[in-house]
Amino acid sequence: GENVEQHPSTLSVQEGDSAVIKCTYSDSASNYFPWYKQELGKRPQLIIDIRSNVGEKKDQRIAVTLNKTAKHFSLHITETQPEDSAVYFCAASINQAGTALIFGKGTTLSVSS
Amino acid sequence: KAGVTQTPRYLIKTRGQQVTLSCSPISGHRSVSWYQQTPGQGLQFLFEYFSETQRNKGNFPGRFSGRQFSNSRSEMNVSTLELGDSALYLCASSLALHPGETQYFGPGTRLLVL
Repeated sequence: GENVEQHPSTLSVQEGDSAVIKCTYSDSASNYFPWYKQELGKRPQLIIDIRSNVGEKKDQRIAVTLNKTAKHFSLHITETQPEDSAVYFCAASINQAGTALIFGKGTTLSVSS
Repeated sequence: KAGVTQTPRYLIKTRGQQVTLSCSPISGHRSVSWYQQTPGQGLQFLFEYFSETQRNKGNFPGRFSGRQFSNSRSEMNVSTLELGDSALYLCASSLALHPGETQYFGPGTRLLVL
């Protein structure tokens, strides 16, 4: 079945450093790839997303890249801040006929000041 | 607009019981998806409903079921509860005007099975 692998599972950086999280997906029919941030005790919140017809998207300090041929996509956070500390999930659409998502297992990002 | 709401927020049940969870989507949203979140398995897709029809289904046993009403509100039911069903159950809604739309999550229902 569909699968999304996410690495690393934990990531510790110093404030101001960059952080990169990588995901690979198995279903070539997936065409939508969102990233969610979940703080402790809160609901997942969308931070950025990308569609299969785009290779890169940027929003201030956050960027996402997609390589459809290799079936992998990455989240890049620059100039990290302590408030970036959270669990980050990548996801891929299950198919082209709905909005359901398959999630990676998450990356716990810790930014120390 | 009000966000996605879920009731109840917390629930304690014993093995063998059944439970029904409710999700009210953002006004105008027609698609509701359900996910189970556990520390070991992360977020796992249960099912997706659109216009009262199940459109996608994850790899969960038949004890897990759901439905959607004409006002887009959705319920999920778990029968014959097992200890392993203890989890945070999240629902998410989207406009569903086209595939791959943003999903907005509710706060979740935390279920503890004793």
